[in-house]
Amino acid sequence: DSGVTQTPKHLITATGQRVTLRCSPRSGDLSVYWYQQSLDQGLQFLIQYYNGEERAKGNILERFSAQQFPDLHSELNLSSLELGDSALYFCASSVGVEQFFGPGTRLTVL
Amino acid sequence: SQELEQSPQSLIVQEGKNLTINCTSSKTLYGLYWYKQKYGEGLIFLMMLQKGGEEKSHEKITAKLDEKKQQSSLHITASQPSHAGIYLCGAVRMEAGNMLTFGGGTRLMVKP
Repeated sequence: DSGVTQTPKHLITATGQRVTLRCSPRSGDLSVYWYQQSLDQGLQFLIQYYNGEERAKGNILERFSAQQFPDLHSELNLSSLELGDSALYFCASSVGVEQFFGPGTRLTVL
Repeated sequence: SQELEQSPQSLIVQEGKNLTINCTSSKTLYGLYWYKQKYGEGLIFLMMLQKGGEEKSHEKITAKLDEKKQQSSLHITASQPSHAGIYLCGAVRMEAGNMLTFGGGTRLMVKP
């Protein structure tokens, strides 16, 4: 158990819908990273927050957004969902260089 | 081509055999992570290497970092069915907030 929690574990929704994925980092970790893992693209970095502020952006679509709250938990919002958004979404947290990953949220868009 | 290339892409070994997985970067390596993933599950941190020539071991798994070759290798001794899964290497990209860029993964199956 990495200490990073993610909810929900599974999410099934329809195209065009909007969903919110939640991540609670390890106690004391200020950085939260979001990653997407799909069969065709592999594991890709989406976005990083540090102590409430956006720190770095990767291959994140404009339809996706994230935020980190004062209690350091983070949410990833995915809107106007498409079939191709079906993937495993991971968050990771760190206090230094080491990153610890949560169990992931499996999103299925039908 | 990918920034991090892993080889082989998949591997089937007999229980008890040794194996090596390689990870080669097209950019300078500042830090290299190895993770293991059970199919469809989360990533389990194995180890992180930061310095050239560094070698770390955890149980029967040893990883080395060759900074000059921009390469890391993961070696499993006397493989067991519990070693089966997907092994991912990830490189730190310091120009982007310490985010990780990952290789395509190596799928390992261990036959009992």
